[in-house]
Parts: sequence; C-alpha cells; structure tokens
Amino acid sequence: ETGVTQSPTHLIKTRGQQVTLRCSSQSGHNTVSWYQQALGQGPQFIFQYYREEENGRGNFPPRFSGLQFPNYSSELNVNALELDDSALYLCASSKTGRPQETQYFGPGTRLLVL
Amino acid sequence: GENVEQHPSTLSVQEGDSAVIKCTYSDSASNYFPWYKQELGKGPQLIIDIRSNVGEKKDQRIAVTLNKTAKHFSLHITETQPEDSAVYFCAASIGQAGTALIFGKGTTLSVSS
Repeated sequence: ETGVTQSPTHLIKTRGQQVTLRCSSQSGHNTVSWYQQALGQGPQFIFQYYREEENGRGNFPPRFSGLQFPNYSSELNVNALELDDSALYLCASSKTGRPQETQYFGPGTRLLVL
Repeated sequence: GENVEQHPSTLSVQEGDSAVIKCTYSDSASNYFPWYKQELGKGPQLIIDIRSNVGEKKDQRIAVTLNKTAKHFSLHITETQPEDSAVYFCAASIGQAGTALIFGKGTTLSVSS
C-alpha cells in the first residue's frame, strides 16, 4: 500500500452533472497529480498540483479543474459530465514535485456516467 | 505530440520462464522511466524505475534497460510466478518541468503454472 487514499471508490452520475473526487497524499508529500484511465488504456495525465498551485496540465478541457489544500490533499472537479468521462480516476503523490521523482498511486475512483 | 508505444499488448508464459516488455518513446527530453504493475481493481504500483543517467537497473527478478539513443526501454522479469500475472505499464516523463508521466497502453501478462 502506498498511503495514498481516494474517495469515493465508486460513483455513478448522469450526463450534465458535476462531480468532485478527493485524494489524500502520502504523508510528507506536497505534490499531487491526477490521471484518467479509460478501460483498457494507460493512465492519461490531467494536471498536477504543487504546494496548492497548478504545476502542469495535460490535454483536458477547462471543465476539469482541481484544488490542493494546505494539508496537500486534493480535489478533482468535473463539470458538465459527458459519457466519455466514464473512467478510473487516479491520483498520485510525490515528495517534492521535482523531475524524475517517483509517483505513488492511490486505488482510484471509478466513475460511471450514464 | 509525445507518445509511448508498448509491446506486446498480451504475453503468456509458463511459470519459470522469462518475460520481456518493450517500450519506445518520442520525447527526447524524457529522462525518467518508471514501470508500474496494476492488478484488477487496484491502482498502479511502482515496480522499478530508471533515470536517464543509467543504462540498466536490477531488483531481484526484475530488470530494466534503457537505450536513450534509440529511445527505447525494456522490462525483464525472470523466473516468472503466477502472482506476476497483471497488467504492466511503462511510462516516460514529459512536460515543461518533466514531472508528468505519459503511459503506454499496457501489457497483460499471464503466467500459467
């Protein structure tokens, strides 16, 4: 176990709704990255937060947004849900956010959009 | 854009055999290459990683090799066991700060006893 926790484990929403997913990073880590993993695919980078600031973003629309809190936990918010947003959402924490640093993944939140 | 290709997509071996998974990457600035193992219903678990200043790294039955000139890296598992059965992902660092990862599509390894 990595010490990275995510909630909820599963979630069902309907198209057009909004969703908030939560992540608690491993103790001593100040950087959180979020990834989307569609069925049968590798994780795809959404964005990263370092000390409460966005520190890089992948090719995802603005309806995907995030926050990081002073205790370094993080939220991923998705507005106007679409069917294609159905996926496993993973967060990963790292110690300082420096390049070449190991990222430790949580178990993920499985989101189903109907 | 940046890309990581991973082969094969499925691999079946007998217990005790070796397994090799290969990846190529496109971003010449990539300098960190982790490998993750993902079991059903779980998040990816780091099994080994290699940084660009090293050509090979070994940890018990697992080894990774890196060829920066050819932009490819490989995972080698020796003496495979049924509990090695899982999906394996390679990844490469990308982005301005090099802190994000781009993943391959995964290899489903099946080890039969």
